[in-house]
Amino acid sequence: KAGVTQTPRYLIKTRGQQVTLSCSPISGHRSVSWYQQTPGQGLQFLFEYFSETQRNKGNFPGRFSGRQFSNSRSEMNVSTLELGDSALYLCASAVEAGAQETQYFGPGTRLLVL
Amino acid sequence: KQEVTQIPAALSVPEGENLVLNCSFTDSAIYNLQWFRQDPGKGLTSLLLIQSSQREQTSGRLNASLDKSSGRSTLYIAASQPGDSATYLCAVYPNDYKLSFGAGTTVTVRA
Repeated sequence: KAGVTQTPRYLIKTRGQQVTLSCSPISGHRSVSWYQQTPGQGLQFLFEYFSETQRNKGNFPGRFSGRQFSNSRSEMNVSTLELGDSALYLCASAVEAGAQETQYFGPGTRLLVL
Repeated sequence: KQEVTQIPAALSVPEGENLVLNCSFTDSAIYNLQWFRQDPGKGLTSLLLIQSSQREQTSGRLNASLDKSSGRSTLYIAASQPGDSATYLCAVYPNDYKLSFGAGTTVTVRA
């Protein structure tokens, strides 16, 4: 079974631009979560989607948004990029939403904002 | 707000030695605790998931314990190998359903 895939793997943007990241979950998984990883803040939860609905949201500004499609693929968008948005963005999928499920992570998208 | 702490931040051991990694959390109201491994520049690999009702989980050379009342979990890796070199992260799934991660312990196993 193919794992979680994320595209693109690397991205360079300039301040003020916007960016869209994509995540394809493991086949059969309906829950997708997004995380931001930086050296200073570590891994922080962004949001979780299940069956096309945002189930939960972390403490990030409204510039960070996401959505999930009917095939469970998810996209994350960051508008008006700031230097501090430079990070590794990870998505994870699970069979169902809920605390019983193991999260399977993708390789991440490394975003550099100049 | 749930806070997860991992001590030590870094660990270096000779090959063959057993590894003991610690994780503590401030709010014992959790659904589960997971241990992950992260190789440099890569995503996370799930190692073990312990439900809140369980005391421990084992997989091969890995054993993780959970003591909810004291807010602690320990990951044991027996007979360490150079391939075990990585950053190990613990994460708790609290009542607000937002997975909270520790900063990780970076392990180096010397051949």
